[in-house]
Amino acid sequence: QVQLQESGPGLVKPSQTLSLTCTVSGGSISSGSYYWNWIRQSAGKGLEWIGRIHTNGSANYNPSLRSRVAISLDTSKNQFFLNLRSVTVADTGNYFCVRTPAYSSSLFRPWGQGTPVFVSS
Amino acid sequence: QSVLTQPPSASGTPGQRVIISCSGSTSNIGDNPVYWYQQLPGTAPKLLIYANDHRPSGVPERFSASRSGTSASLAISGLQSEDESDYHCATWDDSVNGPVFGGGTKLTVL
Repeated sequence: QVQLQESGPGLVKPSQTLSLTCTVSGGSISSGSYYWNWIRQSAGKGLEWIGRIHTNGSANYNPSLRSRVAISLDTSKNQFFLNLRSVTVADTGNYFCVRTPAYSSSLFRPWGQGTPVFVSS
Repeated sequence: QSVLTQPPSASGTPGQRVIISCSGSTSNIGDNPVYWYQQLPGTAPKLLIYANDHRPSGVPERFSASRSGTSASLAISGLQSEDESDYHCATWDDSVNGPVFGGGTKLTVL
């Protein structure tokens, strides 16, 4: 079965770029019709969808983050990526990578375990 | 501030029935199916209910859900201690052109 695993630096300085990688195992990132998503959760708060990329490479983003975010994928490595520019302390939280089928864009399964990100100088 | 509105907390005693609400608008719940996720402490969310009222394989029958108008609800019958968790509702929002979530409800089993 497909499994997802996030990786990246746990500490980022304000104004810098946060870069995370999600490695997919147990299946090909380019097979089937899926969206590969990034979702974050601030401490004690709800979930926030950041954006997604389709297996065909097209991406769309949460309007509240669109000006700072880019999601890409590398099918040869079975990975997809998150870049979030100009981070502030408000970007601190737990970041998850998750898959959704194209026919049901709120059916998030499976999830990665999440990776904590702290924005601090 | 989340697009969907959930009560921040709920509680019940073992064996009781608890209902968690999720309120939205015509651009989200009113026009799209609702999903529910269970998030145990320190773990990633897990799909609990899909397409308003369907349980994935392995989810006990005491979990049920419904949608009506611009609101949805999750019901847990025969409450058990292992149900103590955060519960999140989610759906697509036509205005955002993306999925949106509720703020999550922390369920305490007394």
